[in-house]
Amino acid sequence: SQKIEQNSEALNIQEGKTATLTCNYTNYSPAYLQWYRQDPGRGPVFLLLIRENEKEKRKERLKVTFDTTLKQSLFHITASQPADSATYLCALDSQSGGGADGLTFGKGTHLIIQP
Amino acid sequence: GAVVSQHPSRVICKSGTSVKIECRSLDFQATTMFWYRQFPKQSLMLMATSNEGSKATYEQGVEKDKFLINHASLTLSTLTVTSAHPEDSSFYICSARGGWGWETQYFGPGTRLLVL
Repeated sequence: SQKIEQNSEALNIQEGKTATLTCNYTNYSPAYLQWYRQDPGRGPVFLLLIRENEKEKRKERLKVTFDTTLKQSLFHITASQPADSATYLCALDSQSGGGADGLTFGKGTHLIIQP
Repeated sequence: GAVVSQHPSRVICKSGTSVKIECRSLDFQATTMFWYRQFPKQSLMLMATSNEGSKATYEQGVEKDKFLINHASLTLSTLTVTSAHPEDSSFYICSARGGWGWETQYFGPGTRLLVL
């Protein structure tokens, strides 16, 4: 069955350092992968989308890599700030081949940036 | 741009009653809307996919007669939880896709449902 795993339930990082979050998947052939941020009691907020033919994508302090051979995406936040503390969700399209479908989410990694 | 709203944000109801949740795309036309459910410390689970003017497609294990979805316009989808029970208590989140960048889904703020 299709499965998405994110590296840990909680990740503590010191302010100013780079936070790296991992998303591994099995039994998927996604056309793209997305990262979202979710704060407590709120809906997810879209951050970045990376397509299967892209190795890396950047947006301000965020960087995402996508290795379809390893079936892994890494999400980096550089110069981390306490305001970056949240749960970060990895999501794939629910069916192989990038059809216009709902997303399947990982459980998320709770990131805590300590001042 | 790409703002999605949900109403109500919180609702408490008695067991056996029905609850309607609205999802609106405020600044774009949503050809497709999705409904998710999230239990505490769990991931979002897709419940159903809703296309404007057609019947919703439900994920396996989701009762279509219990969770009624209507997508009457390109900016509005509703989820009605019929005969709600305490086990239906959850965080319900909608998302919408349309216009530019069709792969990206924009999520509403969620609706917290508590059934007593």
